[in-house]
Amino acid sequence: EAGVTQFPSHSVIEKGQTVTLRCDPISGHDNLYWYRRVMGKEIKFLLHFVKESKQDESGMPNNRFLAERTGGTYSTLKVQPAELEDSGVYFCASSRRGLGGYTFGSGTRLTVV
Amino acid sequence: AQSVTQLDSQVPVFEEAPVELRCNYSSSVSVYLFWYVQYPNQGLQLLLKYLSGSTLVKGINGFEAEFNKSQTSFHLRKPSVHISDTAEYFCAVSDSGYSTLTFGKGTMLLVSP
Repeated sequence: EAGVTQFPSHSVIEKGQTVTLRCDPISGHDNLYWYRRVMGKEIKFLLHFVKESKQDESGMPNNRFLAERTGGTYSTLKVQPAELEDSGVYFCASSRRGLGGYTFGSGTRLTVV
Repeated sequence: AQSVTQLDSQVPVFEEAPVELRCNYSSSVSVYLFWYVQYPNQGLQLLLKYLSGSTLVKGINGFEAEFNKSQTSFHLRKPSVHISDTAEYFCAVSDSGYSTLTFGKGTMLLVSP
């Protein structure tokens, strides 16, 4: 089966601009997650979708971040306006319901200058 | 709240030597434990997981980990490493198989000839 696909793989934007990251989960995976790793820090949870509904968005840092999951398929994470501290690697993951852990994508490296 | 401590940020080792990457966790509920690996320029790949049952868990690429509840540890081991094992390794904990993962800061395994 195809894996979790994220694009772009890299994005460099100026402070104040808007960036949209996209994640295509594995087909049939109801659970979709966003995580972020800021340089030198832990990978931190941002939010969790079950199908198109936000199950848990407790990790979203502030209201500059907006996540959507259209029709329970792909998801987008928009940062508007971007700040320097938003730089990092954004990971998406998906899973079926039940035990087993996630499948992660390769990540999007976001650099805000 | 859950937390994960990976005691070593870097572990240098010679090829064919054994290695142990340490992971300690804290949690007030039942835990599910995971080790992920990130090879250069790739996403996070699940190495192994402990959900229940035998405390010795075998994963891919010859890695294994032992869950020790009394010491709240889940150390990762490999009896003989290869150059290709050079990567960053992340320990993670969850209170279910598909809920939020709490990650450690990661351990960079550097294998040299």
